[in-house]
Amino acid sequence: AQSVTQLGSHVSVSEGALVLLRCNYSSSVPPYLFWYVQYPNQGLQLLLKYTSAATLVKGINGFEAEFKKSETSFHLTKPSAHMSDAAEYFCAVSGKLTGGGNKLTFGTGTQLKVEL
Amino acid sequence: KAGVTQTPRYLIKTRGQQVTLSCSPISGHRSVSWYQQTPGQGLQFLFEYFSETQRNKGNFPGRFSGRQFSNSRSEMNVSTLELGDSALYLCASSSDKTEAFFGQGTRLTVV
Repeated sequence: AQSVTQLGSHVSVSEGALVLLRCNYSSSVPPYLFWYVQYPNQGLQLLLKYTSAATLVKGINGFEAEFKKSETSFHLTKPSAHMSDAAEYFCAVSGKLTGGGNKLTFGTGTQLKVEL
Repeated sequence: KAGVTQTPRYLIKTRGQQVTLSCSPISGHRSVSWYQQTPGQGLQFLFEYFSETQRNKGNFPGRFSGRQFSNSRSEMNVSTLELGDSALYLCASSSDKTEAFFGQGTRLTVV
């Protein structure tokens, strides 16, 4: 079974400050890990993915995440927050399923607020 | 390259009715998955279709069903609608063993 835990359902930062959104995973198989962003009344947009290559993954809009197996973590960071980063962020895990397949298991989401 | 297209975007139905939602995946993608998003339960996996066959299924009652056509377009159907079925239904397409790309979703309201 796979799961992800996102610590903090709401995070507030000042514009220009560091963004850190936390995600810990649990997986019995080597995981694929993803971060998605969702703006109001929209679908999910992929920010970045980890698929067992480099442990430091760079994504779109200046976001990056580091896979740390020893800590079972995949935290999302951005050096300098922008007002347009305000949205909900989801961490997700998938892995090789018996018979193949794509099934994402999502965390509960973190709402990021960016203040002036 | 066109993204994932879901129709309709918004839908209002009455309890007891049935509804069909449609999803057109990215060209060349053979895997289509469906997710339900609600404030209380978050994002939950419904099912996945690959080459017209259901490959994986989540923990939803039999009222939720789906199918996939030979052109990879997919539909999901919910019969005997309940108030609790009100949700954002998201479709995702994938070229298998890679990331999933999501559509804008269909917002279903059951009254």
